[in-house]
Amino acid sequence: DAKTTQPNSMESNEEEPVHLPCNHSTISGTDYIHWYRQLPSQGPEYVIHGLTSNVNNRMASLAIAEDRKSSTLILHRATLRDAAVYYCILRIPNAGNMLTFGGGTRLMVKP
Amino acid sequence: NAGVTQTPKFQVLKTGQSMTLQCAQDMNHEYMSWYRQDPGMGLRLIHYSVGAGITDQGEVPNGYNVSRSTTEDFPLRLLSAAPSQTSVYFCASSYEARGSPLHFGNGTRLTVT
Repeated sequence: DAKTTQPNSMESNEEEPVHLPCNHSTISGTDYIHWYRQLPSQGPEYVIHGLTSNVNNRMASLAIAEDRKSSTLILHRATLRDAAVYYCILRIPNAGNMLTFGGGTRLMVKP
Repeated sequence: NAGVTQTPKFQVLKTGQSMTLQCAQDMNHEYMSWYRQDPGMGLRLIHYSVGAGITDQGEVPNGYNVSRSTTEDFPLRLLSAAPSQTSVYFCASSYEARGSPLHFGNGTRLTVT
């Protein structure tokens, strides 16, 4: 199974950029890389996803390595509301393309 | 738009009792799935469905049943609750899983005593 590896936790100062890394060295050629975040006591929330090219949306940017074995979620200006667990996830093979969640990175934002 | 609606929000069961967790979506999504999240852990896939009448097992299906008679609804049944099923349960839906984002409900917090 394709798995992802993320640091358990990271800290950032408010209004500074945050780079959240993810390794997925066994990714297959057709796997999308998805990022979700989960605020306390809430369900996961979609952040961004991509296949090969870097992607931008109103929430974040996703930088994908050329060999696709790693990616980085970029929050351009962290706010206190961005404190959450961030999951980098891939699909589960042979399971209807459903997504598998690892442990994620707990992002703490300091004022 | 209501999105994905889960009921109830909280439930306490005694060991051996059965119950059904409800999940409904109003986005006409083909794909629906159930995850459980134990304290301090990520989400694990229980069952999923790629369309009405089609269901399949995920990573941790034992002790749970599902059915999908309509596009909108995907209930999760606990046949005989056990303390190991104490968890937060999330339902999610999407158009097609690989390239489309999942939309999650707010979860059902289940305690089995």
